Amino acid sequence: AQSVAQPEDQVKVAEGNPLTVKCTYSVSGNPYLFWYVQYPNRGLQFLLKYITGDNLVKGSYGFEAEFNKSQTSFHLKKPSALVSDSALYFCAVSPGDTGRRALTFGSGTRLQVQP
Amino acid sequence: EPEVTQTPSHQVTQMGQEVILRCVPISNHLYFYWYRQILGQKVEFLVSFYNNEISEKSEIFDDQFSVERPDGSNFTLKIRSTKLEDSAMYFCASTGQGKNTEAFFGQGTRLTVV
Repeated sequence: AQSVAQPEDQVKVAEGNPLTVKCTYSVSGNPYLFWYVQYPNRGLQFLLKYITGDNLVKGSYGFEAEFNKSQTSFHLKKPSALVSDSALYFCAVSPGDTGRRALTFGSGTRLQVQP
Repeated sequence: EPEVTQTPSHQVTQMGQEVILRCVPISNHLYFYWYRQILGQKVEFLVSFYNNEISEKSEIFDDQFSVERPDGSNFTLKIRSTKLEDSAMYFCASTGQGKNTEAFFGQGTRLTVV
């Protein structure tokens, strides 16, 4: 069975500082990894994904994530946080080697960027 | 930009009643999904649907749930006899043909069972 852990319920950073939201996963075979963001009263918006290739993937709104196979991690990063980045962030995984497409989500990390 | 749309945005129903949640996936997508998020908890997979049949389902998706694609555009989730614990935000999602494509989610339907 696959699983995702987001060890921090909340991350606080000052505007302009770099941010990191942590994610580790467990899945059989090669993972497909995703980050989604949820703003209040909105659905889940796709940010970025890792399928294969370069371990550093770039996504929307200046976010990037680094896939680390040995540490089974896929941390979300941004060099300079904005107040508007404040939202709930979800990491998700699906088993890439199978035909299964269901996403398993982490519990979410609330990012608060302070002015 | 194409989007997944869900109706209604909020549904209140009496325990034991049937509800149907509706979704219009992105038009050229082929895989459709329902997920739910109980307040304060993680997003959980319910079911996926492809080629007019269920392709995967979770343990949550028991006999009281069913899905249907009644026409070329809609995708519905029916809960036959609602229970208090069915109260949650229900998200519809869709993906294209490739297995590495990302899912696009709707804004959700908040179901409240009273």
